[in-house]
Amino acid sequence: QQQVKQSPQSLIVQKGGISIINCAYENTAFDYFPWYQQFPGKGPALLIAIRPDVSEKKEGRFTISFNKSAKQFSLHIMDSQPGDSATYFCAASPAGGTSYGKLTFGQGTILTVHP
Amino acid sequence: DGGITQSPKYLFRKEGQNVTLSCEQNLNHDAMYWYRQDPGQGLRLIYYSQIVNDFQKGDIAEGYSVSREKKESFPLTVTSAQKNPTAFYLCASSIEQGLTAFFGQGTRLTVV
Repeated sequence: QQQVKQSPQSLIVQKGGISIINCAYENTAFDYFPWYQQFPGKGPALLIAIRPDVSEKKEGRFTISFNKSAKQFSLHIMDSQPGDSATYFCAASPAGGTSYGKLTFGQGTILTVHP
Repeated sequence: DGGITQSPKYLFRKEGQNVTLSCEQNLNHDAMYWYRQDPGQGLRLIYYSQIVNDFQKGDIAEGYSVSREKKESFPLTVTSAQKNPTAFYLCASSIEQGLTAFFGQGTRLTVV
């Protein structure tokens, strides 16, 4: 199975709150899990990524938590700001072989941060 | 500045016409990809190319064609066989054995 399931579809958070977006996958060959941020009319930009050899990765206000046994990973945005309002996509890909770089995307989460 | 350039930003197509979307990169990346994005859906892979003069179908290749004659360029043709072409098209690239895909700014295609 190549599918990556993402939830929720939309999320509204107050400024300063924590935004949490979840993803689940089925393909055990996946071993690279990036998150992309997309503003309206723009292409997605890489936000943060994780490999399954670690359970958590933090970059500034953004943290990925990874649960290999459950095949789930999540994005946490601490101290959410109105400028974080965007669509967020999780993705997954195999690390090597002929499938490198071939990302399977979740459906996306529209995040709105109210001031 | 290095990056991926997609053109045009907006494109209108009459039914029955073929149109070609341009994608150029100066990142010296070996691999290039075309994705389609529809409202409320994730990105779906149309075609990808890992090396010049070679490309493979992705998940939704029907009605599309590509070429890879130069490392820097990976144009996508939306043919009249594509029944529902209105969408946002995104081109991406990644280095050999690299995992991070960098995206262009997209082309919005509308059938009129």
